[in-house]
This record gives sequence, C-alpha cells and structure tokens, in this order.
Amino acid sequence: DVKVTQSSRYLVKRTGEKVFLECVQDMDHENMFWYRQDPGLGLRLIYFSYDVKMKEKGDIPEGYSVSREKKERFSLILESASTNQTSMYLCASSHSGTSVRYFGAGTRLSVL
Amino acid sequence: GENVEQHPSTLSVQEGDSAVIKCTYSDSASNYFPWYKQELGKRPQLIIDIRSNVGEKKDQRIAVTLNKTAKHFSLHITETQPEDSAVYFCAASIHKGNGGAQKLVFGQGTRLTINP
Repeated sequence: DVKVTQSSRYLVKRTGEKVFLECVQDMDHENMFWYRQDPGLGLRLIYFSYDVKMKEKGDIPEGYSVSREKKERFSLILESASTNQTSMYLCASSHSGTSVRYFGAGTRLSVL
Repeated sequence: GENVEQHPSTLSVQEGDSAVIKCTYSDSASNYFPWYKQELGKRPQLIIDIRSNVGEKKDQRIAVTLNKTAKHFSLHITETQPEDSAVYFCAASIHKGNGGAQKLVFGQGTRLTINP
C-alpha cells in the first residue's frame, strides 16, 4: 500500500516567516507533486519533480520554492509566508510513466 | 494549456437516486481522464479513470463516459449511498507513457451530499 506522509496536519505561522512543508513517500516513486487546495478552485499544481534535484514549475509557483535532495522526500518552502498562502497543501507521488496520483493527508496552513 | 471545468459545484441527491457530475476540457490532445474522491478530512483517492480510446467504463455503481468530439466526460453514480458523500474531482492529462511526470489538470470539485 502506497504511503505518502506529510509531516504536519495543521500549521500556524506568522506573516514573513519561512515555512517548510515536508513530504515523504515509501514507494520509490520518481515523481512528486505539491498542490494547493482551495474551495471552488480545485487542486492547483504548485511545483513538481520527476527526479532527485529536478524541479518544474506548476501553475501557481509564485511565492514558493521546492527541494528534492532524496528520491523519497519533497519539500515545499514558503520563503516569506503571506496571508494569501493560507490554504490546504497536498503532496502527491506517482510512478514514472503513469498519471495515478497517491496523495498525502494534507497540511492545513494558516498564516496570521 | 489545458483547462478543466467541472459542474455542478454542489449536488444533493436522495439516497438510492443517481448522481451525475460533468466536466469539460479544452486540449484535444488530452487522453487520460481520472476521477478522484475526497471524503471529509481525508486524502483524495482515485476511484475510476478512462482513456480516450474508450467511450465508457464501469466499476460496480460508478461509471464514466467520454465524448471526445464534444470534449466532455461525466461521472455517474447509481443507487447512491451515504458513503458516496464526498468531494469529487475530475482531471485531464496527456498521457505519453514514456516516463516523466504527466501533468494532471483538475476541475474545481463537486461536493456531493447523499440525503437519507
């Protein structure tokens, strides 16, 4: 059974703080993704990675960066958190050549 | 780029009735259309998918239909049960099958409520 684990379920941060969201998968998947989920907007892709140290911008990368130093771990970084980044963040992984996404449980981030 | 529109945003049906959720996509090159279900407080999970070489796929009480000409696809749930209450997301992608990350574009989501 694929397991995608996000380090925090809930996070409260202050405006201007640097925020790290961590995601680990245990299925040796090549691809990892970070999505943002907002009501009425669906799941929007922030960044993805298809290999260690590789990253690609998604549809809404502004204000975010990512790091993939190891195959199993994909980190989302908010360099200077802002209130409009309050949202649910979902990590996902997939095997190379497939489109099936395995999601983590999500991190609900509040920026005050 | 691809754009996926999903309707309705909310849907309420009586237990035992059928529910239909519709999506349209813009890129005629898209060839893979999955549906994800997200129960309250849980992660999205794939429930059914269809590729562009077929027009319909069924799995027990759920089915998906695809109209490539009109660029729309639909999720049908028959004999709805309380456990069908969830948010459903459609998505579209161009599946190349040669490795790499396939970019999925999701619809806005439909909150389905089954009334007892």
